[in-house]
Amino acid sequence: GAVVSQHPSWVICKSGTSVKIECRSLDFQATTMFWYRQFPKQSLMLMATSNEGSKATYEQGVEKDKFLINHASLTLSTLTVTSAHPEDSSFYICSARDAGWEQPQHFGDGTRLSIL
Amino acid sequence: DAKTTQPTSMDCAEGRAANLPCNHSTISGNEYVYWYRQIHSQGPQYIIHGLKNNETNEMASLIITEDRKSSTLILPHATLRDTAVYYCIVLTRGATNKLIFGTGTLLAVQP
Repeated sequence: GAVVSQHPSWVICKSGTSVKIECRSLDFQATTMFWYRQFPKQSLMLMATSNEGSKATYEQGVEKDKFLINHASLTLSTLTVTSAHPEDSSFYICSARDAGWEQPQHFGDGTRLSIL
Repeated sequence: DAKTTQPTSMDCAEGRAANLPCNHSTISGNEYVYWYRQIHSQGPQYIIHGLKNNETNEMASLIITEDRKSSTLILPHATLRDTAVYYCIVLTRGATNKLIFGTGTLLAVQP
């Protein structure tokens, strides 16, 4: 089946640093990928839609300058949390869809980000 | 966007069938119903989806009512590893077709 890989699984860094998270579709090409954030005991919140070769579309309330998204190829999207602060600590999850709007999205295993 | 309503939590005995209900009374004609689950500290896992007909795969069955206003996910023989939060989602139509997660149902499979 379709596999989506995220890296890293865990990251701990100091406040003020920038952190890049990678999302790869391993056995299919994804023109569209999605980035979610999940706080403890809450549901997933969609942050942005990443489109290959064009700018990402951000959900209301998500700062595009804070969360930089690059989707340079059909198998890779990256999310960079710039100048991260403790309130950015969260579980970040990406997903990708193979083809056709009704086809299921497949999710990565998430990245747990802790900012000290 | 069609919204879904699910019970907050359910219990099921190991080996028995787990029936998870979902209401989506405002669903539009071409919108699909998707089910995902999330085991603690992992990314969501796709289970099944359907439009109007009942669907079955190796993981579960999806029963959609004739008026499409509700559906039921059936795990035929629940195991302890099926303990997870189950999300019923109606796929938002449009250019990006985003999956919007609600609060889901926490299914606890009891030994």
